[in-house]
Amino acid sequence: DGGITQSPKYLFRKEGQNVTLSCEQNLNHDAMYWYRQDPGQGLRLIYYSQIVNDFQKGDIAEGYSVSREKKESFPLTVTSAQKNPTAFYLCASSITGYFDGYTFGSGTRLTVV
Amino acid sequence: SQQGEEDPQALSIQEGENATMNCSYKTSINNLQWYRQNSGRGLVHLILIRSNEREKHSGRLRVTLDTSKKSSSLLITASRAADTASYFCATDPKIQGAQKLVFGQGTRLTINP
Repeated sequence: DGGITQSPKYLFRKEGQNVTLSCEQNLNHDAMYWYRQDPGQGLRLIYYSQIVNDFQKGDIAEGYSVSREKKESFPLTVTSAQKNPTAFYLCASSITGYFDGYTFGSGTRLTVV
Repeated sequence: SQQGEEDPQALSIQEGENATMNCSYKTSINNLQWYRQNSGRGLVHLILIRSNEREKHSGRLRVTLDTSKKSSSLLITASRAADTASYFCATDPKIQGAQKLVFGQGTRLTINP
């Protein structure tokens, strides 16, 4: 079955640590996205990528970094510069051209301890 | 940037009743989409309506779009306990070069048995 996989499901970060969230898709989608969701809130765009080796900042990119070395993979690193990283992180993918919506992963819940 | 605003923020109804959620947005759009999110999970795409469409149906879902008022509504008929979830509208704004969705804050729907 085609889909988009995020791992891990839960992640704990100590103060000052960098952590990387994985996102892999086998849908052959060109575009991939990272969103952050805080409790009771909507989604805010962190980074997005429309093609391999290219990505753009979203609305809240500070303290985050990404790479897109393969079409299937779009990992997100939460750096120590992100002062309030506790949130639910959602990865999504879509086709380009005739846009018919996102496919989402099941999310990673990051907690600072 | 949050473009969509949903109303109400929370809705509680009895099983079998109809549920209506509204979404307003600010800029011209290519399309508007509705997603469902069960607690702690990723979002699931429900329905997409393009800017040149006024109404769309999918099973028990009916979506309307009024581009002159920059608003949309999602109607769920004959609600079931399994419909309990948060519902988000998302817009694909025309002003942006890439296909990246802007999400509203969501409506939390509770269906009481």
